[in-house]
Amino acid sequence: GENVEQHPSTLSVQEGDSAVIKCTYSDSASNYFPWYKQELGKGPQLIIDIRSNVGEKKDQRIAVTLNKTAKHFSLHITETQPEDSAVYFCAASTTVYSGGGADGLTFGKGTHLIIQP
Amino acid sequence: AAGVIQSPRHLIKEKRETATLKCYPIPRHDTVYWYQQGPGQDPQFLISFYEKMQSDKGSIPDRFSAQQFSDYHSELNMSSLELGDSALYFCASSLEGEYTEAFFGQGTRLTVV
Repeated sequence: GENVEQHPSTLSVQEGDSAVIKCTYSDSASNYFPWYKQELGKGPQLIIDIRSNVGEKKDQRIAVTLNKTAKHFSLHITETQPEDSAVYFCAASTTVYSGGGADGLTFGKGTHLIIQP
Repeated sequence: AAGVIQSPRHLIKEKRETATLKCYPIPRHDTVYWYQQGPGQDPQFLISFYEKMQSDKGSIPDRFSAQQFSDYHSELNMSSLELGDSALYFCASSLEGEYTEAFFGQGTRLTVV
């Protein structure tokens, strides 16, 4: 099955600086890579995702890059703000085309992002 | 916008009891996933359903079962509860297609004493 490795487990950055979280995956058939933000006591919130036919995607201060050859993908957050403090999870999945539904997500272990004021 | 609704939000059970968790997906979503998240852990995939049929199975114990009903809501039934079953249980839903985005509910915190 799929195995997702995520680094670092904890990341502390100064407010306004950039943060980068990296993940690798093992199953070359995986083709969908979402990133979730989880605040204490809440469910994971989808913040950005990327598909295997795209190398990079950006949404305001958040960007994700994917290298299918190396089987790794990264989350980049620029101009960090205190409200960015949370646990971030990367995930991978093999989606199935119409008729079968999608496989469950395999998550990384999470990165606790701390934004220092 | 409507989100994934889970009930109850908190549940306390004794060992060997049974528990039923409910999940109401986002309207028009036809796929439901269940995840278990232990303290400080990443969510672990348990099982998923598409159009009321099981579509994928993860690390779900034999003591657990689940189903999806005609209105697409889903229930996770847990029997012979053990202390180790204490965790957050999340339901997520998506609209089946070539690429699916799964949206999570707020979770049910199950405590087994």
